[in-house]
Amino acid sequence: NAGVTQTPKFRVLKTGQSMTLLCAQDMNHEYMYWYRQDPGMGLRLIHYSVGEGTTAKGEVPDGYNVSRLKKQNFLLGLESAAPSQTSVYFCASSYSAHQPQHFGDGTRLSIL
Amino acid sequence: SQQGEEDPQALSIQEGENATMNCSYKTSINNLQWYRQNSGRGLVHLILIRSNEREKHSGRLRVTLDTSKKSSSLLITASRAADTASYFCATDEGGSYIPTFGRGTSLIVHP
Repeated sequence: NAGVTQTPKFRVLKTGQSMTLLCAQDMNHEYMYWYRQDPGMGLRLIHYSVGEGTTAKGEVPDGYNVSRLKKQNFLLGLESAAPSQTSVYFCASSYSAHQPQHFGDGTRLSIL
Repeated sequence: SQQGEEDPQALSIQEGENATMNCSYKTSINNLQWYRQNSGRGLVHLILIRSNEREKHSGRLRVTLDTSKKSSSLLITASRAADTASYFCATDEGGSYIPTFGRGTSLIVHP
């Protein structure tokens, strides 16, 4: 049972480039989340989804877009990367909002 | 946004000692969760405690919740070097149905 898998694990981008981070879960969870983690800031919610075909904004959504075309996948896109988006990105999933979240091991993204 | 706040920010102890970290929040909650994060890894869920519960145990972990003080504590008994990690609380306070995470307590257990 793989749980939550994030791809890629590391990436370096130049300012202005675009990329997509992929999150896949095999637990049939309805809810999926994207967070960023910066030193001293804890985890901040970027976007989340309560089911296939739905997305919603979190605390820090600017500069990011998401899609949930399939229940098991949640994609995070950066259309025009900025140095301020250098961070570690975590994906998580859960059965419902009040159930424990299962996390992937993160994507370390550097934007030069 | 409203979120739980852990205290202390950092804690350094010797193996075998107990470690206590606290989480405070500002408004009412339905539940509070504790997570652990090892260096370079994702968060792992430890315990969920509901607002009508006062204490929960899981192995060497003990979580208490005091809704009158709007605080929770996580106690790790007989700590081990392998307990070295960051510990986060997550609350659904303020009517948010999506939990928000605090900034964490960094625990170092010296062998």
